[in-house]
Amino acid sequence: AQSVTQLGSHVSVSEGALVLLRCNYSSSVPPYLFWYVQYPNQGLQLLLKYTTGATLVKGINGFEAEFKKSETSFHLTKPSAHMSDAAEYFCAVKGDQGGKLIFGQGTELSVKP
Amino acid sequence: GAVVSQHPSRVICKSGTSVKIECRSLDFQATTMFWYRQFPKQSLMLMATSNEGSKATYEQGVEKDKFLINHASLTLSTLTVTSAHPEDSSFYICSARDRSDLSSYNSPLHFGNGTRLTVT
Repeated sequence: AQSVTQLGSHVSVSEGALVLLRCNYSSSVPPYLFWYVQYPNQGLQLLLKYTTGATLVKGINGFEAEFKKSETSFHLTKPSAHMSDAAEYFCAVKGDQGGKLIFGQGTELSVKP
Repeated sequence: GAVVSQHPSRVICKSGTSVKIECRSLDFQATTMFWYRQFPKQSLMLMATSNEGSKATYEQGVEKDKFLINHASLTLSTLTVTSAHPEDSSFYICSARDRSDLSSYNSPLHFGNGTRLTVT
């Protein structure tokens, strides 16, 4: 079975500061991992994904994530936060049945001016 | 890019009535769509997997007779909340996978913008 744990339900950073959102996963098979962003009252938008190959994955809006098998982690980072980055972020792993996604509990990112 | 249209975006209904939510893939065909439910400040909980031309697969604890799912075509899935009650008030989100994507099994899902259901 697969599961995802996001450490920290809320993260607050200053504009221009480093963004680090933590995600740890559990999977009995090689994991396929995703990060999504959700703005208020909207659906989810894919930021980036890891399937195979390079462990450092670059996504949209300057975000990137690194897959670390030894740490079972897939943390999301961005060197310099923008006000527009304020949103809810979800880490997800693909389930082993039917391709469904299993989501973490989400991390709300606040960006202070 | 692949677009999923969900309608309506907001709906208010009275207790005891039924509400239908539509999920359409606008520029691709989707043999599989997923329906999620999201409570305020919480994660997405998968309700069911909708397969075109066959019965939906419901997650444990989801009432099949209350949340009716129909996936009659490759571009449309509907979720009907029957005999709605205030506790059904939530944010419902659909997602779809492009059947033409060769890596579709591991490809990301395309999400609709969600439907805010309020039952009074």
